[in-house]
Amino acid sequence: DIQMTQSPSSLSASVGDRVTVTCRASRRINNYLNWYQQKPGRAPKLLIYAASTLPSDVPSRFSGSGSGADFTLTITSLQPEDSATYYCQQSISAPLTFGQGTNVEIK
Amino acid sequence: EVQLVDSGGGLVQPGGSLTLSCAASGFSLSDSVIHWVRQAPGKGLEWVARIRSKPRNYATDYAASVTGRFTIFRDDSKNTAGLQMNSLKTEDTAVYYCTRTMSSTAFNWFDPWGPGTLVTVSS
Repeated sequence: DIQMTQSPSSLSASVGDRVTVTCRASRRINNYLNWYQQKPGRAPKLLIYAASTLPSDVPSRFSGSGSGADFTLTITSLQPEDSATYYCQQSISAPLTFGQGTNVEIK
Repeated sequence: EVQLVDSGGGLVQPGGSLTLSCAASGFSLSDSVIHWVRQAPGKGLEWVARIRSKPRNYATDYAASVTGRFTIFRDDSKNTAGLQMNSLKTEDTAVYYCTRTMSSTAFNWFDPWGPGTLVTVSS
């Protein structure tokens, strides 16, 4: 199974800050990497797919990068509504696995 | 609007059974791979199972933790899917989400997601 490791597990930042979350796969997964945002009591929401592609309804302050085994989610100017838990997920092979999540809190 | 609605959760005793349902609207499930993903209270996301589409012979895959106890199924004529859960354990307690990936794309991602249905396994 491919293990996905996110860091940090949690962070606290101010509105307007640049925030970075990293995700490392236990082996190369090329660009088969997705990011999801989950708010308390809600289902996850697709944020980025294929490592760097934003769905049309996702604000442009979110971006994804990386390839191979190391990936990054960046929020360029943190907004209050970005308070959530973020998960990475590999889609190259079953069992499909998620990172443990990164809780982003607004100071 | 493209959406999934999952249902059927509830309280069940250890060793019991429960069947979850997933209904699609705004699109045809027949082109999709259907997945179940669960989230134990206060924990992260865990992929549970998937069922591929007809051209892939409705092939199924399961997480090791549920293999032999859970069965994923679909009925494209009704635009629905489901998850039959047997021999339930306390560690199966979670919110279960129905979601999909597209059969036709090289890359795949989970979208949309159902709102989730809570399964509680307890005596």
